[in-house]
Amino acid sequence: EAEVAQSPRYKITEKSQAVAFWCDPISGHATLYWYRQILGQGPELLVQFQDESVVDDSQLPKDRFSAERLKGVDSTLKIQPAELGDSAMYLCASAPGRGEYNEQFFGPGTRLTVL
Amino acid sequence: GEDVEQSLFLSVREGDSSVINCTYTDSSSTYLYWYKQEPGAGLQLLTYIFSNMDMKQDQRLTVLLNKKDKHLSLRIADTQTGDSAIYFCARQGYGGSQGNLIFGKGTKLSVKP
Repeated sequence: EAEVAQSPRYKITEKSQAVAFWCDPISGHATLYWYRQILGQGPELLVQFQDESVVDDSQLPKDRFSAERLKGVDSTLKIQPAELGDSAMYLCASAPGRGEYNEQFFGPGTRLTVL
Repeated sequence: GEDVEQSLFLSVREGDSSVINCTYTDSSSTYLYWYKQEPGAGLQLLTYIFSNMDMKQDQRLTVLLNKKDKHLSLRIADTQTGDSAIYFCARQGYGGSQGNLIFGKGTKLSVKP
């Protein structure tokens, strides 16, 4: 069964360092989402792509976060510099991107700890 | 208040039914969802309901939707220890079916043997 892949699964870094997370969506899925889940909370959208274009990045802290999906397939989320408050689970999801029902499939996430 | 609200904890005995409740403020969502998250894992879609439906049943799961009261519930029949997890209610955000999901804070279900 096709799955969304993410790496690394765990990342520990010191504040002010740069970190990057990678997501490989299910093949053929046009829509890709990055969510951040703080411990004890539900996931919140950071950025949404349709193919290689950003659809919604209104909640992305653009002074330190960047995201790209250059060829409309896999995606990278970067944080520079990392801050203590960035410690969270970063979840990637993909969806077919067409039709009325557009189920989102989630990857296993990357757990970031900033020391 | 929060856009999507859930009670934080629920404890049941194995074999009993579990009912997890959710309320939301925006009635424009086309679909409403229930996701399950096990410790350290991503989210798994359990079931969803279209906004013009009142009820949907899928094996041990029953979803009830009261659009007037903006209330959604998930009933798990014959709850097992393997059902212990965090359950998230979610609604579709802006952008129709392509929109992001807006989640509640999750209900932690504990099943005692």
